[in-house]
Amino acid sequence: QVTMKESGPVLVKPTETLTLTCTVSGFSLSNPKLGVSWIRQPPGKALEWLAHIFSNDEKSYSSSLKSRLTISKDTSNSQAVLTMTKLGPVDTATYYCARGYCNNISCPLPHWGQGTLVIVSS
Amino acid sequence: SYELTQPPSVSVSPGQTTSITCSGDPLGDKYACWYQQKPGQSPVLVIYQDTRRPSEIPERFSGSKSGTTATLTISGTQAMDEADYYCQAWDSNTGVFGTGTKVSVL
Repeated sequence: QVTMKESGPVLVKPTETLTLTCTVSGFSLSNPKLGVSWIRQPPGKALEWLAHIFSNDEKSYSSSLKSRLTISKDTSNSQAVLTMTKLGPVDTATYYCARGYCNNISCPLPHWGQGTLVIVSS
Repeated sequence: SYELTQPPSVSVSPGQTTSITCSGDPLGDKYACWYQQKPGQSPVLVIYQDTRRPSEIPERFSGSKSGTTATLTISGTQAMDEADYYCQAWDSNTGVFGTGTKVSVL
């Protein structure tokens, strides 16, 4: 059974750096067909794709947030990590990690975590 | 970057058929996926590769595409299908979600 679980701080101050961890089970992050995406959703708003890391450690980022994001993984601990710098109130959102079967023309995400709410406030 | 545009909302009567469109240039040569999201829950993949349906998704959900517009169709809509629906595409190793459509079953 595949599970994904996000963890990280609930409250972050403006200008601080956010680090979120996605712990997975039921599969290996070294599987050549699989990768992990991060997606966020501000309250009452649409989903926004943030970043993806492939099994070969190749990374891709949202063009609008690329300068603030870093994605990485620790295969031995079955974790994917997202770091976002210079947080502001607009970054308040539920952050999800999801398992993806991504190639050059498609990236379906069949397994999602429950999401973790991050509030940016002083 | 690119955008995927969806209608903000659609309404449908129980048992009827409804369709949601998703328009954007990358869909011309890239696959579309569709997700269902109910309040307080994580999204669920209902369609991938334009037309394929995960085994656990009911047959009343189907997908199609023509040119740069993908369409999700729900046939025989049930009350449990009331949710937000998002399309998603992947281009140049970058993902994007559509603007989202709220489906109301009235």
